[in-house]
Amino acid sequence: ETGVTQTPRHLVMGMTNKKSLKCEQHLGHNAMYWYKQSAKKPLELMFVYNFKEQTENNSVPSRFSPECPNSSHLFLHLHTLQPEDSALYLCASSQLAGIYNEQFFGPGTRLTVL
Amino acid sequence: EDQVTQSPEALRLQEGESSSLNCSYTVSGLRGLFWYRQDPGKGPEFLFTLYSAGEEKEKERLKATLTKKESFLHITAPKPEDSATYLCAVQRSYGGSQGNLIFGKGTKLSVKP
Repeated sequence: ETGVTQTPRHLVMGMTNKKSLKCEQHLGHNAMYWYKQSAKKPLELMFVYNFKEQTENNSVPSRFSPECPNSSHLFLHLHTLQPEDSALYLCASSQLAGIYNEQFFGPGTRLTVL
Repeated sequence: EDQVTQSPEALRLQEGESSSLNCSYTVSGLRGLFWYRQDPGKGPEFLFTLYSAGEEKEKERLKATLTKKESFLHITAPKPEDSATYLCAVQRSYGGSQGNLIFGKGTKLSVKP
């Protein structure tokens, strides 16, 4: 595997389900990010982790719960989502957060909430 | 308030017809400006970083330039495979959340053969 990988690529869930998105980076980076991409809107930053520590929570509802066990892996735990949460969820990584910040993205998880 | 505006929203070109995409920004001190390409159903692919006014970078048919208020992505003799959405993002040099990227909505480019 190279670059940033995300699983699953597609996910359909009901409003009462609990699911998790997984991201893994193979670039030796120390910072990881979750973004939400909705139609006709700019990418929205959700969370930032730098050396496994959360440094940014961009006012994200608590039904989204991130976890970063090490610098290579990032999870987004989902529960009791709303239909408006349907979007493409992108994971990214960079060498460090807050400095020279060329971010490299994974392919995304297309989430549909019924 | 920091803001990134990309224009046009959509651009249709004939193969070989050169053009430019615009990214204008207002930010409290610019650390860097980033261009990405995004194909449908995929994540953004990094293209360029520009750090200071007057800087230029090239990659194949693409050339990115930067001034104090905007950046241009020039596409020379485009091919159908250049069709994608091009995203611009800026990074602030100081203040809260200074490391985060602020993205524009993108320009969707279609190149017809």
